[in-house]
Amino acid sequence: AQSVTQLGSHVSVSEGALVLLRCNYSSSVPPYLFWYVQYPNQGLQLLLKYTSAATLVKGINGFEAEFKKSETSFHLTKPSAHMSDAAEYFCAVSDRSGGSNYKLTFGKGTLLTVNP
Amino acid sequence: EAGVVQSPRYKIIEKKQPVAFWCNPISGHNTLYWYLQNLGQGPELLIRYENEEAVDDSQLPKDRFSAERLKGVDSTLKIQPAELGDSAVYLCASSLISGGYGNEQFFGPGTRLTVL
Repeated sequence: AQSVTQLGSHVSVSEGALVLLRCNYSSSVPPYLFWYVQYPNQGLQLLLKYTSAATLVKGINGFEAEFKKSETSFHLTKPSAHMSDAAEYFCAVSDRSGGSNYKLTFGKGTLLTVNP
Repeated sequence: EAGVVQSPRYKIIEKKQPVAFWCNPISGHNTLYWYLQNLGQGPELLIRYENEEAVDDSQLPKDRFSAERLKGVDSTLKIQPAELGDSAVYLCASSLISGGYGNEQFFGPGTRLTVL
């Protein structure tokens, strides 16, 4: 079964600083990979996804993530944090093949705090 | 275009009472998902519908949980009777198709259930 590990349940950065949120997956076959953001009292919104095209994926709001097969990682970055980036971020995976390629397995989430 | 609509947004009930959640997916999306999100955790899939058919309900606790999607559009998730441990956020999501090329799931704002 797929699993996702997000290192750090809480990350705090200063406004304008680099944001780095870590995600590692466990799969012998590279899965589809996603990053979702959840603002307080809202549903999840897709930031970006990796589906085997370019390994560097650009998403909304200035975020990007790089797929590294050798490290089984898909870390999320943003060069300069903005106050509005404060939210919870979830990494998710789904299988590429078979009957379960719809099924998202989520990590536990990382709460991002941005300090003025 | 309207997103995924859920109601109610908040529900407080006494244990052993029944409760129901309603979801209206994005127009044209034939696949609908119900997720459970416990505090501090990522969402976990409860059930997936393709049109009217529940094609994956393996994670749905069938002793107390039930769901329906009678006309392949709206869906209702019911708990009867509710237990203290059911306190969580119940998320509904929809997608155009199930699986495939890293299909994107669009999430509603969720229903926050508190069982006293």
